[in-house]
Amino acid sequence: GAGVSQSPSNKVTEKGKDVELRCDPISGHTALYWYRQSLGQGLEFLIYFQGNSAPDKSGLPSDRFSAERTGGSVSTLTIQRTQQEDSAVYLCASSWGGRTNEKLFFGSGTQLSVL
Amino acid sequence: AQSVSQHNHHVILSEAASLELGCNYSYGGTVNLFWYVQYPGQHLQLLLKYFSGDPLVKGIKGFEAEFIKSKFSFNLRKPSVQWSDTAEYFCAVNANGGSQGNLIFGKGTKLSVKP
Repeated sequence: GAGVSQSPSNKVTEKGKDVELRCDPISGHTALYWYRQSLGQGLEFLIYFQGNSAPDKSGLPSDRFSAERTGGSVSTLTIQRTQQEDSAVYLCASSWGGRTNEKLFFGSGTQLSVL
Repeated sequence: AQSVSQHNHHVILSEAASLELGCNYSYGGTVNLFWYVQYPGQHLQLLLKYFSGDPLVKGIKGFEAEFIKSKFSFNLRKPSVQWSDTAEYFCAVNANGGSQGNLIFGKGTKLSVKP
C-alpha cells in the first residue's frame, strides 16, 4: 500500500491477556518506530528499528513490552500481561533511512483498551 | 534529557485570526525541529521542519515557524487561520547526528477554529 498500515485499528482486551499489534511500513523504508499516545500526554517513544542494526529499545516502559521486525519489513509490538495503564493509541511510523532530519510517515494507530 | 514544552493545551480562534503556537525545547547542541499535525480522523503528518540554514521555515497550508536558537524556541505561526486548520499540533525535536529514536514530541496543542 501507499502508506503505513497498522492492524488491528481497535483492540479491546482483558487485564492480564497478551496482545500483538502489527505494523506494515512503507515499502523501501529502512527505519521503523513505535510510539504510544496517551490522552493529553503527547507521543512517547517506545522502540526504533534501523535496517539490520540492533533496535533502540530505550523507550520500552517495562519488560512486558517487546517488539520485533521480521525481514526488515513488518513489525509486531507485543504487550504481555496487559494492565489498564497500557490503554493508549499505539502508533507506528517509518522513514527512508533513519536520519535525524527525516520526515516520519505515521500509520493510523491501534487503539488499545484494557478492561 | 531532552524535553519539549508546548505551553498551550487548547487554543480557540475565529477564522482569519492570527495564530502562534509556542514550542520550547531543552537541548544545548545542534537540533532538528519539526511540527507535525493531526487533523481529525487522519494520520499524523509533517507540517514543516528545520535542520539547517534559514531559521524561518515555511510549510504546507501557509504555516511557518521560526527557530530562535537563543530562546530554544520553534514557534509555529499562521497569519490567518481557516476552519480547516482545526487539528492537534505537535512540536518535536531531536539531536542532529543522534539516534532517530530520540525524536521527542511535545504534548500537543489542540487548535479549534470557529467558522
